[in-house]
Amino acid sequence: DTGVSQDPRHKITKRGQNVTFRCDPISEHNRLYWYRQTLGQGPEFLTYFQNEAQLEKSRLLSDRFSAERPKGSFSTLEIQRTEQGDSAMYLCASSPPAANEKLFFGSGTQLSVL
Amino acid sequence: AQKVTQAQTEISVVEKEDVTLDCVYETRDTTYYLFWYKQPPSGELVFLIRRNSFDEQNEISGRYSWNFQKSTSSFNFTITASQVVDSAVYFCALSEAGRGGYNKLIFGAGTRLAVHP
Repeated sequence: DTGVSQDPRHKITKRGQNVTFRCDPISEHNRLYWYRQTLGQGPEFLTYFQNEAQLEKSRLLSDRFSAERPKGSFSTLEIQRTEQGDSAMYLCASSPPAANEKLFFGSGTQLSVL
Repeated sequence: AQKVTQAQTEISVVEKEDVTLDCVYETRDTTYYLFWYKQPPSGELVFLIRRNSFDEQNEISGRYSWNFQKSTSSFNFTITASQVVDSAVYFCALSEAGRGGYNKLIFGAGTRLAVHP
């Protein structure tokens, strides 16, 4: 079990630039989640994939955000025209097919928008 | 609406002290799940426990124990004989069941625990 892997660990970008993050879930997990965590707060749900289908998106996910999971394996989260308010830790998690199982989290990608 | 409140922002204890982290939740669902996660300085959230709403038995795992009380909507976490390695941010989370089997976790703001030698 290699765990959930996220890349990069840190990203510094200038306002207005586009960024893309990658998440590799645990191989047998068909459920994949993205969360965002700001300083001093708990993670907030962004979106959920079951296999390649995106089944739920939070209102936090503005039009500048897009997530994909093209083959039901890894996922990408892209932020276009970044703003300073996008600075946060972006966490990916996965869980197995069984219902309501615990989530396994990656170490996250820390985004800083200057 | 679902909500999780962790009223204690920070707790500081000396090693070997017992410490209880409080968690109060709100939900209209009759079936739900409660979780505790630990977030050490490395940033990765580490699963500690999952409890469903129909199981009110308290649970003990080594130095960790959990007290679930539906009557007060609380799911408190106690560390006995704390150690420096317990220093981390601890999150309580709630998930309603019946969403197609996936857990959309609602997290509290977390409690930062500092254990000093």
